[in-house]
Amino acid sequence: QKEVEQNSGPLSVPEGAIASLNCTYSDRGSQSFFWYRQYSGKSPELIMFIYSNGDKEDGRFTAQLNKASQYVSLLIRDSQPSDSATYLCAVNPGGTSYGKLTFGQGTILTVHP
Amino acid sequence: KAGVTQTPRYLIKTRGQQVTLSCSPISGHRSVSWYQQTPGQGLQFLFEYFSETQRNKGNFPGRFSGRQFSNSRSEMNVSTLELGDSALYLCASSLAGLGNTEAFFGQGTRLTVV
Repeated sequence: QKEVEQNSGPLSVPEGAIASLNCTYSDRGSQSFFWYRQYSGKSPELIMFIYSNGDKEDGRFTAQLNKASQYVSLLIRDSQPSDSATYLCAVNPGGTSYGKLTFGQGTILTVHP
Repeated sequence: KAGVTQTPRYLIKTRGQQVTLSCSPISGHRSVSWYQQTPGQGLQFLFEYFSETQRNKGNFPGRFSGRQFSNSRSEMNVSTLELGDSALYLCASSLAGLGNTEAFFGQGTRLTVV
């Protein structure tokens, strides 16, 4: 079992729809969770982070964390073609895992007009 | 506020050579982590430095090494390059490298080994 798994994708949604990206992780002690967006040929860009169970909203983005189910998700409301990118889920195990993020393989999102 | 700066942006090296990549973190950030990104393996953690000390290391061979200077700038070195080392090398800067601090990536160095 991979440490961090994301829904396989690619995911295609129409403009204006809600895009739902999912991620599960294997280390139950994991402390913090991050979503990065990576455009083709570019470096990952941090868009959301969440540490506590529940929802966290930032503009059109909502991150949801359920530690009991070891599940974290990202919802993108009113999706725009500019949201088309690879979305990476990253997990920090906490403890002495200084500076280490374990990434999922990424989900490619395409928003079509 | 300047972001994370990596140099050079592109490199082409021959098998057997060595290479040094540089990363300047965001001002005030003391933790620098390095990652390798390939199409097959995705993003993989190499190591992390804080206050000139390596605190964490991933599962890479000893050919991969790094260091950090007193101004928090970091370098990574790969010796005896192999074709499989061709990848995008990314550094990430954070305040303290703790689990609850956000990490910001530089633009990366694209290394091609021929």
